[in-house]
Amino acid sequence: DGGITQSPKYLFRKEGQNVTLSCEQNLNHDAMYWYRQDPGQGLRLIYYSQIVNDFQKGDIAEGYSVSREKKESFPLTVTSAQKNPTAFYLCASSRGGDTQYFGPGTRLTVL
Amino acid sequence: DQQVKQNSPSLSVQEGRISILNCDYTNSMFDYFLWYKKYPAEGPTFLISISSIKDKNEDGRFTVFLNKSAKHLSLHIVPSQPGDSAVYFCAASPRALFGNEKLTFGTGTRLTIIP
Repeated sequence: DGGITQSPKYLFRKEGQNVTLSCEQNLNHDAMYWYRQDPGQGLRLIYYSQIVNDFQKGDIAEGYSVSREKKESFPLTVTSAQKNPTAFYLCASSRGGDTQYFGPGTRLTVL
Repeated sequence: DQQVKQNSPSLSVQEGRISILNCDYTNSMFDYFLWYKKYPAEGPTFLISISSIKDKNEDGRFTVFLNKSAKHLSLHIVPSQPGDSAVYFCAASPRALFGNEKLTFGTGTRLTIIP
């Protein structure tokens, strides 16, 4: 079955700790994206990658970092520099500039 | 500055009737528009899209209308079914310039279908 997987579904961390969210796709898509959703708000773009070993900052990249060493994987690290890390994080992928398809999301809660 | 606006946070519609969800945009560079449906604690699911060269696109019970002069688009669901109850997001991109990498989302409208 082709799709996008994100793990874990729920994640709890203490304040000041870095945490890495996983995103894997087996759709053979070149482009991958990370979004953040907060209550009552739309999705906001954190980072995106159009090709392996290359990525671009989105609208709210501060306090986050990414890597794209493999086509299938695009992990997101939420660092201690992110002021309000508690949110619902969504990963997406697309074939080039085509429609983006989303994974199930990870809810991160920082205590 | 909210470039994509969904002014109705919520909408309730009787089962079998038409649901109309609205979306306005301000950026004249947007030329490709999409609607996503989202259930709680899940990722958004792509529903339907429309390019600015068209004013209507239909897919089964879902139709999207685009009024470029008014910078307005709407999603019609006919007939509405209980499974349509979800949050609907409108998204837009300046596809001709940047492809679909730079999607801008609205804040969503929660649709509730009343049995």
